[in-house]
Amino acid sequence: DQQVKQNSPSLSVQEGRISILNCDYTNSMFDYFLWYKKYPAEGPTFLISISSIKDKNEDGRFTVFLNKSAKHLSLHIVPSQPGDSAVYFCAASGGTGNQFYFGTGTSLTVIP
Amino acid sequence: EAGVAQSPRYKIIEKRQSVAFWCNPISGHATLYWYQQILGQGPKLLIQFQNNGVVDDSQLPKDRFSAERLKGVDSTLKIQPAKLEDSAVYLCASSLVKVSTDTQYFGPGTRLTVL
Repeated sequence: DQQVKQNSPSLSVQEGRISILNCDYTNSMFDYFLWYKKYPAEGPTFLISISSIKDKNEDGRFTVFLNKSAKHLSLHIVPSQPGDSAVYFCAASGGTGNQFYFGTGTSLTVIP
Repeated sequence: EAGVAQSPRYKIIEKRQSVAFWCNPISGHATLYWYQQILGQGPKLLIQFQNNGVVDDSQLPKDRFSAERLKGVDSTLKIQPAKLEDSAVYLCASSLVKVSTDTQYFGPGTRLTVL
Protein backbone atom coordinates (compact mmCIF):
# COMPACT_ATOMS: atom_id res chain seq x y z
CA ASP A 1 0.00 0.00 0.00
CA GLN A 2 1.71 3.14 -1.27
CA GLN A 3 0.97 5.86 1.29
CA VAL A 4 3.05 8.49 -0.51
CA LYS A 5 2.66 8.90 -4.25
CA GLN A 6 4.52 10.83 -6.88
CA ASN A 7 2.49 10.38 -10.02
CA SER A 8 4.93 12.00 -12.43
CA PRO A 9 7.94 9.75 -13.03
CA SER A 10 9.72 12.47 -14.98
CA LEU A 11 9.71 16.18 -15.66
CA SER A 12 11.69 18.35 -18.08
CA VAL A 13 11.99 22.12 -17.78
CA GLN A 14 14.08 24.81 -19.38
CA GLU A 15 16.86 26.44 -17.40
CA GLY A 16 15.61 29.54 -15.62
CA ARG A 17 12.00 28.38 -15.54
CA ILE A 18 10.06 27.06 -12.56
CA SER A 19 10.06 23.33 -11.74
CA ILE A 20 7.05 22.03 -9.84
CA LEU A 21 7.18 18.53 -8.39
CA ASN A 22 4.07 17.07 -6.82
CA CYS A 23 3.42 14.55 -4.09
CA ASP A 24 0.20 13.12 -2.64
CA TYR A 25 -0.31 11.17 0.54
CA THR A 26 -3.14 9.11 1.95
CA ASN A 27 -2.44 8.92 5.69
CA SER A 28 -4.03 11.88 7.50
CA MET A 29 -1.77 11.18 10.50
CA PHE A 30 1.33 12.29 8.62
CA ASP A 31 2.57 15.55 10.12
CA TYR A 32 6.08 15.98 8.80
CA PHE A 33 7.19 16.00 5.20
CA LEU A 34 10.53 16.15 3.46
CA TRP A 35 12.03 16.32 0.03
CA TYR A 36 15.21 14.47 -0.83
CA LYS A 37 17.34 14.85 -3.93
CA LYS A 38 19.28 11.96 -5.40
CA TYR A 39 22.05 11.96 -7.99
CA PRO A 40 23.01 8.70 -9.75
CA ALA A 41 25.21 6.37 -7.68
CA GLU A 42 24.74 8.51 -4.58
CA GLY A 43 22.41 8.29 -1.61
CA PRO A 44 19.51 10.72 -1.22
CA THR A 45 20.38 14.06 0.34
CA PHE A 46 17.99 16.15 2.40
CA LEU A 47 16.65 19.19 0.61
CA ILE A 48 13.81 20.83 2.54
CA SER A 49 11.12 19.93 5.06
CA ILE A 50 7.78 21.19 6.29
CA SER A 51 5.72 20.54 9.38
CA SER A 52 1.96 20.23 9.21
CA ILE A 53 1.55 23.39 11.28
CA LYS A 54 2.82 25.39 8.30
CA ASP A 55 1.65 25.58 4.72
CA LYS A 56 4.85 26.93 3.19
CA ASN A 57 8.56 26.69 3.81
CA GLU A 58 11.21 28.45 1.78
CA ASP A 59 14.95 27.90 1.45
CA GLY A 60 16.64 29.87 -1.28
CA ARG A 61 15.40 28.69 -4.65
CA PHE A 62 13.37 25.88 -3.07
CA THR A 63 9.86 26.26 -1.64
CA VAL A 64 7.63 23.50 -0.36
CA PHE A 65 3.88 24.02 -0.16
CA LEU A 66 1.56 21.84 1.92
CA ASN A 67 -2.18 21.54 1.40
CA LYS A 68 -3.41 19.39 4.25
CA SER A 69 -7.03 19.28 3.16
CA ALA A 70 -5.99 17.90 -0.21
CA LYS A 71 -3.21 15.76 1.27
CA HIS A 72 -0.87 17.25 -1.27
CA LEU A 73 2.53 18.86 -1.21
CA SER A 74 4.64 20.37 -3.92
CA LEU A 75 8.22 21.47 -4.37
CA HIS A 76 8.92 24.58 -6.41
CA ILE A 77 12.39 25.30 -7.74
CA VAL A 78 12.87 28.83 -9.07
CA PRO A 79 14.88 29.42 -11.15
CA SER A 80 15.75 25.90 -12.26
CA GLN A 81 19.40 25.17 -12.98
CA PRO A 82 21.05 22.27 -14.86
CA GLY A 83 22.61 21.13 -11.56
CA ASP A 84 19.10 20.53 -10.23
CA SER A 85 18.76 17.58 -12.60
CA ALA A 86 18.25 14.62 -10.26
CA VAL A 87 15.59 12.32 -8.85
CA TYR A 88 13.45 13.96 -6.19
CA PHE A 89 11.73 11.91 -3.49
CA CYS A 90 9.10 13.16 -1.11
CA ALA A 91 8.75 11.45 2.25
CA ALA A 92 6.29 11.66 5.11
CA SER A 93 6.16 10.59 8.72
CA GLY A 94 3.84 10.82 11.69
CA GLY A 95 1.19 8.90 13.51
CA THR A 96 2.12 5.87 15.53
CA GLY A 97 5.69 5.51 14.31
CA ASN A 98 8.60 7.64 13.31
CA GLN A 99 9.48 5.90 10.09
CA PHE A 100 9.47 7.78 6.85
CA TYR A 101 7.41 6.64 3.89
CA PHE A 102 8.92 7.56 0.56
CA GLY A 103 7.32 8.23 -2.78
CA THR A 104 8.55 6.60 -5.97
CA GLY A 105 10.48 9.66 -7.11
CA THR A 106 10.33 12.15 -9.97
CA SER A 107 13.28 12.48 -12.32
CA LEU A 108 13.85 16.15 -13.09
CA THR A 109 15.84 17.21 -16.14
CA VAL A 110 16.73 20.87 -16.50
CA ILE A 111 17.60 21.67 -20.09
CA PRO A 112 20.30 24.33 -20.58
CA GLU B 1 32.50 15.67 8.84
CA ALA B 2 32.61 12.24 7.21
CA GLY B 3 29.35 10.95 5.81
CA VAL B 4 27.72 7.56 6.06
CA ALA B 5 30.01 4.89 4.64
CA GLN B 6 28.80 1.69 3.03
CA SER B 7 30.56 -1.28 1.48
CA PRO B 8 30.65 -2.94 -0.89
CA ARG B 9 29.23 -0.55 -3.46
CA TYR B 10 28.23 -3.36 -5.81
CA LYS B 11 27.62 -7.06 -5.35
CA ILE B 12 26.52 -9.77 -7.75
CA ILE B 13 25.53 -13.16 -6.39
CA GLU B 14 23.51 -16.15 -7.46
CA LYS B 15 20.20 -16.99 -5.85
CA ARG B 16 20.43 -19.02 -2.66
CA GLN B 17 23.84 -17.54 -1.86
CA SER B 18 24.49 -15.35 1.15
CA VAL B 19 25.57 -11.71 1.20
CA ALA B 20 26.42 -9.13 3.83
CA PHE B 21 26.52 -5.36 3.71
CA TRP B 22 28.35 -3.05 6.06
CA CYS B 23 27.49 0.46 7.23
CA ASN B 24 29.40 2.99 9.29
CA PRO B 25 27.15 5.89 10.33
CA ILE B 26 28.14 9.47 10.99
CA SER B 27 30.04 9.73 14.25
CA GLY B 28 27.75 10.40 17.18
CA HIS B 29 24.55 9.46 15.39
CA ALA B 30 22.45 7.28 17.66
CA THR B 31 19.92 6.08 15.11
CA LEU B 32 20.72 3.90 12.13
CA TYR B 33 18.38 2.77 9.36
CA TRP B 34 18.55 0.17 6.60
CA TYR B 35 16.39 0.76 3.54
CA GLN B 36 15.71 -1.34 0.48
CA GLN B 37 15.16 0.52 -2.78
CA ILE B 38 13.90 -1.60 -5.65
CA LEU B 39 14.28 -0.11 -9.12
CA GLY B 40 11.52 2.40 -9.83
CA GLN B 41 10.40 2.59 -6.21
CA GLY B 42 11.18 4.75 -3.23
CA PRO B 43 13.29 3.55 -0.32
CA LYS B 44 11.47 1.20 2.05
CA LEU B 45 12.55 0.92 5.67
CA LEU B 46 13.77 -2.54 6.65
CA ILE B 47 15.06 -1.95 10.16
CA GLN B 48 15.80 0.92 12.52
CA PHE B 49 18.27 0.84 15.40
CA GLN B 50 18.54 3.21 18.33
CA ASN B 51 22.10 2.73 19.58
CA ASN B 52 22.39 -1.08 19.51
CA GLY B 53 18.71 -1.84 20.10
CA VAL B 54 16.10 -2.52 17.43
CA VAL B 55 13.33 0.09 17.29
CA ASP B 56 11.39 -1.13 14.26
CA ASP B 57 11.94 -4.24 12.16
CA SER B 58 8.33 -4.78 11.12
CA GLN B 59 9.17 -4.79 7.40
CA LEU B 60 12.29 -6.96 7.62
CA PRO B 61 11.77 -10.43 6.07
CA LYS B 62 13.12 -12.21 9.09
CA ASP B 63 13.21 -15.63 7.47
CA ARG B 64 16.12 -14.50 5.31
CA PHE B 65 17.26 -11.06 6.45
CA SER B 66 19.12 -10.26 9.63
CA ALA B 67 20.84 -7.15 10.92
CA GLU B 68 22.90 -6.21 13.89
CA ARG B 69 24.52 -3.13 15.30
CA LEU B 70 27.10 -4.19 17.80
CA LYS B 71 28.38 -1.53 20.20
CA GLY B 72 25.89 0.94 18.75
CA VAL B 73 28.13 2.06 15.90
CA ASP B 74 28.70 -0.05 12.75
CA SER B 75 25.97 -2.24 11.38
CA THR B 76 25.74 -5.24 9.09
CA LEU B 77 22.76 -6.43 7.08
CA LYS B 78 22.76 -10.03 5.90
CA ILE B 79 20.63 -11.92 3.43
CA GLN B 80 20.66 -15.71 3.58
CA PRO B 81 19.61 -17.20 1.21
CA ALA B 82 19.13 -14.53 -1.43
CA LYS B 83 16.22 -14.54 -3.86
CA LEU B 84 15.89 -12.89 -7.26
CA GLU B 85 13.48 -10.31 -5.80
CA ASP B 86 16.17 -9.12 -3.37
CA SER B 87 17.90 -7.32 -6.25
CA ALA B 88 17.86 -3.71 -5.11
CA VAL B 89 19.96 -0.89 -3.70
CA TYR B 90 20.42 -1.20 0.04
CA LEU B 91 20.75 2.18 1.68
CA CYS B 92 22.02 2.90 5.14
CA ALA B 93 21.12 6.15 6.86
CA SER B 94 21.80 7.67 10.25
CA SER B 95 20.37 10.48 12.32
CA LEU B 96 21.44 12.17 15.50
CA VAL B 97 18.41 11.19 17.55
CA LYS B 98 15.19 9.28 17.08
CA VAL B 99 12.54 11.85 16.41
CA SER B 100 10.41 12.15 13.30
CA THR B 101 11.78 15.60 12.51
CA ASP B 102 15.41 14.60 12.60
CA THR B 103 17.23 14.64 9.28
CA GLN B 104 18.43 11.30 8.00
CA TYR B 105 21.78 11.23 6.21
CA PHE B 106 22.15 8.52 3.61
CA GLY B 107 25.15 6.58 2.45
CA PRO B 108 25.78 5.87 -1.26
CA GLY B 109 24.12 2.46 -1.08
CA THR B 110 25.06 -1.07 -2.11
CA ARG B 111 23.62 -2.26 -5.39
CA LEU B 112 22.83 -5.98 -5.14
CA THR B 113 22.12 -8.08 -8.20
CA VAL B 114 20.84 -11.60 -7.64
CA LEU B 115 21.13 -13.87 -10.70
